[in-house]
Amino acid sequence: EVQLVESGGGLVQPGGSLRLSCAASGFILSAYWMSWVRQAPGKGLEWVANIKQDGSEKYYVDSVKGRFTVSRDNAKNSLYLEMNSLRAEDAALYYCARLQFGSSSSRVFDYWGQGTLVTVSS
Amino acid sequence: DIVMTQTPLSLPVTLGQPASISCRSSQSLVHSDGNTYLSWLQQRPGQPPRLLIYKVSNRFSGVPDRFSGSGAGTDFTLRISRVEAEDVGVYYCMQGTLWWTFGQGTKVEIK
Repeated sequence: EVQLVESGGGLVQPGGSLRLSCAASGFILSAYWMSWVRQAPGKGLEWVANIKQDGSEKYYVDSVKGRFTVSRDNAKNSLYLEMNSLRAEDAALYYCARLQFGSSSSRVFDYWGQGTLVTVSS
Repeated sequence: DIVMTQTPLSLPVTLGQPASISCRSSQSLVHSDGNTYLSWLQQRPGQPPRLLIYKVSNRFSGVPDRFSGSGAGTDFTLRISRVEAEDVGVYYCMQGTLWWTFGQGTKVEIK
């Protein structure tokens, strides 16, 4: 069974930093692109970042470029999101998701974790 | 960016009756590879999103056959043939043709 478990969320002041983690199990992490998707309280979904199987390619939504960094450690079955210079508008539930991406793929997030909540406030 | 617009934003339905949600994209979702990367997700209250439909009309593993997707180009539809109580939640369309963007969501509730 595919499982994704996020952690690391919490309360941070504007301008502060936070590192999110996602523990993957039930599949071979190194075989998949992975993503972060966020959802502000009571709002819709926003794709944040993708990372290729070996970490050689990374893509970000414009609003987080230069502030957020996605990384992975396949040996530890883990995905990470380093968030710096946090703003009020970054406050959201951050989901780790498996991405079907590549030739003959469906380009969808097929499995999602439960999310970890990031609150940005002074 | 491709903007996804869903209608309606709220959909009261009667148990056992059909329901339909529309999604329109600001530009064609036909990729240069010939595929159309339009999917639908369901988010039940307090739960993460769950993939229902991918590439317009393909049901994901374990999704009941009362859910179906259709459409082409810029106009797409999710249909539920007979709504059940467990279908309550918010439904999102999502495009993966040019990066990834979501519709605003349609809240399905029982009358």
